[in-house]
Amino acid sequence: AQKITQTQPGMFVQEKEAVTLDCTYDTSDQSYGLFWYKQPSSGEMIFLIYQGSYDEQNATEGRYSLNFQKARKSANLVISASQLGDSAMYFCAMREGIISNTGNQFYFGTGTSLTVIP
Amino acid sequence: ETGVTQSPTHLIKTRGQQVTLRCSSQSGHNTVSWYQQALGQGPQFIFQYYREEENGRGNFPPRFSGLQFPNYSSELNVNALELDDSALYLCASSLRGGEQFFGPGTRLTVL
Repeated sequence: AQKITQTQPGMFVQEKEAVTLDCTYDTSDQSYGLFWYKQPSSGEMIFLIYQGSYDEQNATEGRYSLNFQKARKSANLVISASQLGDSAMYFCAMREGIISNTGNQFYFGTGTSLTVIP
Repeated sequence: ETGVTQSPTHLIKTRGQQVTLRCSSQSGHNTVSWYQQALGQGPQFIFQYYREEENGRGNFPPRFSGLQFPNYSSELNVNALELDDSALYLCASSLRGGEQFFGPGTRLTVL
């Protein structure tokens, strides 16, 4: 089974509107971390936001917020007030297990291509 | 604070050759992870180094090997290159288990 599933290959949003990018995950660990990264056409992965499995509040970072629904194993990214510069690939990722374990591998989804329309 | 840097930016090799990619981690970070990102795919974990020792490995053959140096910089070596090794290779540094900060990547083309 896929550890991270992103079911939206491509999304379009009007400038200044909000958009939700979907992410579901699969793990049997109680402790894990969820991350979202942005990858512009230049290729560099830019860290956006982090949610720990024990965090009770949804994470927010500026215009980014993470809608964390633990029972449904979903961690959707919400971008408010979209800007033209938000056009990029977006990847959801998960780190399983306790930090002190060996091999803190990140599992990435296949990504969602977001296009912001003027 | 210096971010993660990778060299070279682009590289063209032929099948069967060997390649070495380099990564300098962000200041203060002791963990380096390497990923392979094929066109249109998400990054796939190759391996991770923590304090100069391999600390986890993904589903990649032994011809993918690495090193981490005392200053926490790292190398990824790939022997006997195959056409399918053509990809963007990303290096990420972190404090162990924390969010990973990525370099700009090395785009490898194998002909």
